[in-house]
Amino acid sequence: EVQLVESGGGLVQPGGSLRLSCAASTFTFSSYSMSWVRQAPGKGLEWVSGISSDAVTTYYADSVKGRFTISRDNSKNTLYLQMNSLRAEDTAVYYCTGGSGWYRSYWGQGTLVIVSS
Amino acid sequence: DIVVTQSPDSLAVSLGERATINCKSSQSLFYSSYNNNYLAWYQQKAGQPPKLLIYWASTRESGVPDRFSGSGSGTDFTLTISSLQAEDVAVYYCQQYYNTPHTFGQGTKLEIK
Repeated sequence: EVQLVESGGGLVQPGGSLRLSCAASTFTFSSYSMSWVRQAPGKGLEWVSGISSDAVTTYYADSVKGRFTISRDNSKNTLYLQMNSLRAEDTAVYYCTGGSGWYRSYWGQGTLVIVSS
Repeated sequence: DIVVTQSPDSLAVSLGERATINCKSSQSLFYSSYNNNYLAWYQQKAGQPPKLLIYWASTRESGVPDRFSGSGSGTDFTLTISSLQAEDVAVYYCQQYYNTPHTFGQGTKLEIK
């Protein structure tokens, strides 16, 4: 069974930065496309960013383009999300997701990011 | 961006009855080269991450009860729960993965009547 464990969330001031990590407990991590999906408190799901299995191609929602950077280290089975210039509207639970296709077979428990002064 | 709209926003169904949730996309999700519709369904119970139920519009994920089924093609899709069980209370989301951003519907809250 694939397990995804996010870390790095917390309270940050507007304009600040955070780096989220997602550790995968699977030897097949390098064959999975990975994504970050977020959920603001009491709201629905929002796709944030995705990265191909070989890290060659990355994708971003317009709402985070230019501020967030997705990356992965297949040697460490780890996915990252560098978040800069954070805004109040970035407050959400951030889920690490993955799968062999772009539908999301695997989800972590999420890490909460709160952007507030 | 592809807009995905679910209906209804909320739904109350009696135990043992059929529940139907609809999902409509602003453009076709059918990729003819692969003969597939790029549409998935997820279930999110309170306090939990979402769980994949259906992908390619109608393929049930391993371990998902067969009372859950997906249908549709092109721009119109349906998730059906044939006989509602108490454990099916949740919010259900559809997602298109035809184009980035891989947009989600707004969610449908399913309750017991």
